[in-house]
Amino acid sequence: DAKTTQPPSMDCAEGRAANLPCNHSTISGNEYVYWYRQIHSQGPQYIIHGLKNNETNEMASLIITEDRKSSTLILPHATLRDTAVYYCAHGYGKLTFGQGTILTVHP
Amino acid sequence: DVKVTQSSRYLVKRTGEKVFLECVQDMDHENMFWYRQDPGLGLRLIYFSYDVKMKEKGDIPEGYSVSREKKERFSLILESASTNQTSMYLCASSSHVPPGQSSYEQYFGPGTRLTVT
Repeated sequence: DAKTTQPPSMDCAEGRAANLPCNHSTISGNEYVYWYRQIHSQGPQYIIHGLKNNETNEMASLIITEDRKSSTLILPHATLRDTAVYYCAHGYGKLTFGQGTILTVHP
Repeated sequence: DVKVTQSSRYLVKRTGEKVFLECVQDMDHENMFWYRQDPGLGLRLIYFSYDVKMKEKGDIPEGYSVSREKKERFSLILESASTNQTSMYLCASSSHVPPGQSSYEQYFGPGTRLTVT
């Protein structure tokens, strides 16, 4: 069974980097790793995705281990508005999501 | 901007009722998905569709069916609602990925919070 695990919650100080881990030990060779975030009362919003190489965009960086069994989403300078639930997922077309990590950014 | 809309934000139904949840996307996406979201369980895939009139079971299809008569519309049907189907339901869409190409992200609607009493 595909299994994607994330810590249920994390804290981060405003202005510091937030590093959110995810384990996806059953990921297949052609499956991508995705990260989404969800703010209360909205649907999940796409952040970033990658296959093997590390990726960076204007929102975040994604670090994928060489064996691809885990990844880390990095928000380089967290703000209060980054407080949200962050979901890791893997797949190709169809996605398998983790349970999500509640990130709280505090002043 | 991709827009995925869902027919209701909140819905209250009685046990045994037939329930229709509608989802419409405006980006000509081939793929559409229905998830349910429950605390501590994340998003779980109910059904998905890669094309008009095509459907595939996801991880938790029991008690649900779907309909895709037009490319832009994907409906989730609860034939006889039960209290354990009280949940947040999320619809998503994405472009078809040509073989060998990078996978595309899914775009989500705002969700329908269904309560079955």
